[in-house]
Amino acid sequence: DTGVSQDPRHKITKRGQNVTFRCDPISEHNRLYWYRQTLGQGPEFLTYFQNEAQLEKSRLLSDRFSAERPKGSFSTLEIQRTEQGDSAMYLCASHRETQYFGPGTRLLVL
Amino acid sequence: DQQVKQNSPSLSVQEGRISILNCDYTNSMFDYFLWYKKYPAEGPTFLISISSIKDKNEDGRFTVFLNKSAKHLSLHIVPSQPGDSAVYFCAATSPGATSGSRLTFGEGTQLTVNP
Repeated sequence: DTGVSQDPRHKITKRGQNVTFRCDPISEHNRLYWYRQTLGQGPEFLTYFQNEAQLEKSRLLSDRFSAERPKGSFSTLEIQRTEQGDSAMYLCASHRETQYFGPGTRLLVL
Repeated sequence: DQQVKQNSPSLSVQEGRISILNCDYTNSMFDYFLWYKKYPAEGPTFLISISSIKDKNEDGRFTVFLNKSAKHLSLHIVPSQPGDSAVYFCAATSPGATSGSRLTFGEGTQLTVNP
């Protein structure tokens, strides 16, 4: 257990629905990252926060994706109008010298 | 553009022997490298890292070697144990860059240690 938690652990949804994932980082860590991992690939960077400020977004993060980190604590990642290609493991990482990953949320879009 | 590459999707070794996992990178801006281990249904777990100012870093059974001129790093596990069976990811970053230490991962190598 790294101290980073994610909720839910699994999500099955139908195409076109909206989904929201939550990440609770280690409390004293001010950087938080989101990654996406598909089968047979390593995690790919999506976005990161320094406290409450979203400082960088990957080209992978289409307009249907939005992330927030109100008050610099937990973070949410929302996907609107889900597509089958969004099916993946979504990983959150909390950073202080090294990135510590949560267990991930596995999303399946039917 | 795969900036970090792990060319071996899988590796099988006997318990007690050495496991060597390899990783190549193309981006000269990378100056910090990490290895993560991942079990099914869990997030990646940090194992060991190395800065580009070093060529070797050791932590217990795990040693990482960095060859900057070849843009190559390797992870040695000695002796290998069945509990080491997992997917190993190589990752690289540039802590001083404006990218905020985002990690770029390789595809992973599935290590199986047979009893």
